[in-house]
Amino acid sequence: QKEVEQDPGPLSVPEGAIVSLNCTYSNSAFQYFMWYRQYSRKGPELLMYTYSSGNKEDGRFTAQVDKSSKYISLFIRDSQPSDSATYLCAMRHGNNRLAFGKGNQVVVIP
Amino acid sequence: DGGITQSPKYLFRKEGQNVTLSCEQNLNHDAMYWYRQDPGQGLRLIYYSQIVNDFQKGDIAEGYSVSREKKESFPLTVTSAQKNPTAFYLCASSQGGGGTEAFFGQGTRLTVV
Repeated sequence: QKEVEQDPGPLSVPEGAIVSLNCTYSNSAFQYFMWYRQYSRKGPELLMYTYSSGNKEDGRFTAQVDKSSKYISLFIRDSQPSDSATYLCAMRHGNNRLAFGKGNQVVVIP
Repeated sequence: DGGITQSPKYLFRKEGQNVTLSCEQNLNHDAMYWYRQDPGQGLRLIYYSQIVNDFQKGDIAEGYSVSREKKESFPLTVTSAQKNPTAFYLCASSQGGGGTEAFFGQGTRLTVV
């Protein structure tokens, strides 16, 4: 079993819809959870960063962590064509090694 | 502006040649990383360094080498021993210790011709 599982998609939604992305993981030691956005041929950029369980909101983006279920989610409200990208989940425990999901390609159709 | 600079953006290599990818950061971060990204594979860790003059192998280190002589620099050499080197290579850095996020460079696309 891979440490982090993420359905690669692709996921197509109409503009204005809610985008829902998720990852599951197997290592209960993970404490820090991140979502990165990656545009084509660019490096990933950090979108959301959460420590332990709970919700975090930043504008149209909401990150949720459920450690009891080993499940994290990212929601994008009022999606825009500029949100079209690949979204990678990542997580770590204290040794600095990040474990990444495979990435989920999102296409927002105008 | 603080950030991570990778160069070159595109690189072509003949089979049998070694090639070195540059990564420089001015974020004063202790930890630096090299990842390889292939379609459908996600990011795979090649090498990482938590402090100057020290580095550890990641999950796919075979055919690669690194050095960390300066805090701000972490070059990656792709050797001729790497069987399938064509990929997108990403360098990242983080402050170090627990609880800090990693910042990425813009990547180098290496193609073996």
